[in-house]
Amino acid sequence: GAGVSQSPRYKVAKRGQDVALRCDPISGHVSLFWYQQALGQGPEFLTYFQNEAQLDKSGLPSDRFFAERPEGSVSTLKIQRTQQEDSAVYLCASSPDGPNNQPQHFGDGTRLSIL
Amino acid sequence: EDQVTQSPEALRLQEGESSSLNCSYTVSGLRGLFWYRQDPGKGPEFLFTLYSAGEEKEKERLKATLTKKESFLHITAPKPEDSATYLCAVQWGSGGSNYKLTFGKGTLLTVNP
Repeated sequence: GAGVSQSPRYKVAKRGQDVALRCDPISGHVSLFWYQQALGQGPEFLTYFQNEAQLDKSGLPSDRFFAERPEGSVSTLKIQRTQQEDSAVYLCASSPDGPNNQPQHFGDGTRLSIL
Repeated sequence: EDQVTQSPEALRLQEGESSSLNCSYTVSGLRGLFWYRQDPGKGPEFLFTLYSAGEEKEKERLKATLTKKESFLHITAPKPEDSATYLCAVQWGSGGSNYKLTFGKGTLLTVNP
């Protein structure tokens, strides 16, 4: 497909486990974003990549959260020592060129549940 | 204080009953206002971008408008398939950090047949 692809769609983990969430952006898109969406809320910004460079990680809730995009395409969001409050939907979005004013196109997210 | 406020939180309409959703924002230096539709279990689907006060955009039964402090999403003669959560988001500020979207909490629209 031509859209943003995220995997897995659902992830259940026990508290304290590490998890890795994958995002395949639209081919050729320069900008990649990660958002966290709690139930009944709008998405909240986590981090932003322009190609392989992580230009903003100000929204990451703690140092347990880490994101990378080593080759400027696929990105991985990793959460170490998961806590119950990490339970949420994690959305990835991409946009074509520079980030400003461009619509961001979202994947269907990974629903993470921490037991 | 929320920077983006959407109202109402939930709206029930009968098929064919037109209405409007509101998105008000308190940020300064608006770069763009975005409307998205989100179905259960899906990611937000892009609908419109508005850049300046007075701008309007239309798509099928939806029309989005923008003033200096708010935007409206007008739904004309809605159908049950228009049922979804509608999200409003803004890009704002100057300098190098105005790429992130700040979202409202959304309006849950239900259209009954």
